[in-house]
Amino acid sequence: DIQMTQSPSSLSASVGDRVTITCQASQDISHYLNWYQQKPGKAPKLLIYDASNLETGVPSRFSGSGSGTDFTLTITNLQPEDFATYFCQRYDDLPYTFGLGTKLDIK
Amino acid sequence: EVQVLDSGGDIVQPGGSLRLSCVASGFPFRSYAMSWVRQAPGKGLEWVSGISGSASGTYYADSVKGRFTISRDNSKNTVYLQMNSLRVEDTATYYCAKARTTLTTGLLDSWGQGTLVTVSA
Repeated sequence: DIQMTQSPSSLSASVGDRVTITCQASQDISHYLNWYQQKPGKAPKLLIYDASNLETGVPSRFSGSGSGTDFTLTITNLQPEDFATYFCQRYDDLPYTFGLGTKLDIK
Repeated sequence: EVQVLDSGGDIVQPGGSLRLSCVASGFPFRSYAMSWVRQAPGKGLEWVSGISGSASGTYYADSVKGRFTISRDNSKNTVYLQMNSLRVEDTATYYCAKARTTLTTGLLDSWGQGTLVTVSA
């Protein structure tokens, strides 16, 4: 199975900062990469699909890039509501593997 | 407005069975694939199973293959996950999620609130 390596596992930042989270696939997955946000006790929420497409209703401070094996989620001008855990997910083929997550907390 | 409501979680003994249900509304149900994703306490996400809109295709993670069965009733806008031979390691919150297309079960754009399954003696 293709493995998804997400880094860092945790990250501290301040309101207004710019942060970057990376996800690396062990094999080429083309653009079949999604990013989700999860807050404590809540379901995941789709942020970015197909590596770089912003889901409807998601603020433009979120952006995604990459293709093949290396992907990036960038959040600019961090807002208080952005402190959460972020997961990448490949869906090029079964099984649809998730990264282990990046917990973003307030510095 | 799209709504996904999952239910059926409970405490069950190892080796036991449980059926989860997921009722969806706000979209043409039969036109979209659905999936189940689980999350063990304090852990990450694991895709468990998916079903195409017409139910012609069903898919499973290796960890549940042969023990879990996904199905759907398009007349009731409901998808089910029958879980048999449950193991302690199946303990998790199970999320039902709507897929973006009728066939591909991996791009999940609307999620239920989750239902907790605890497998314990």
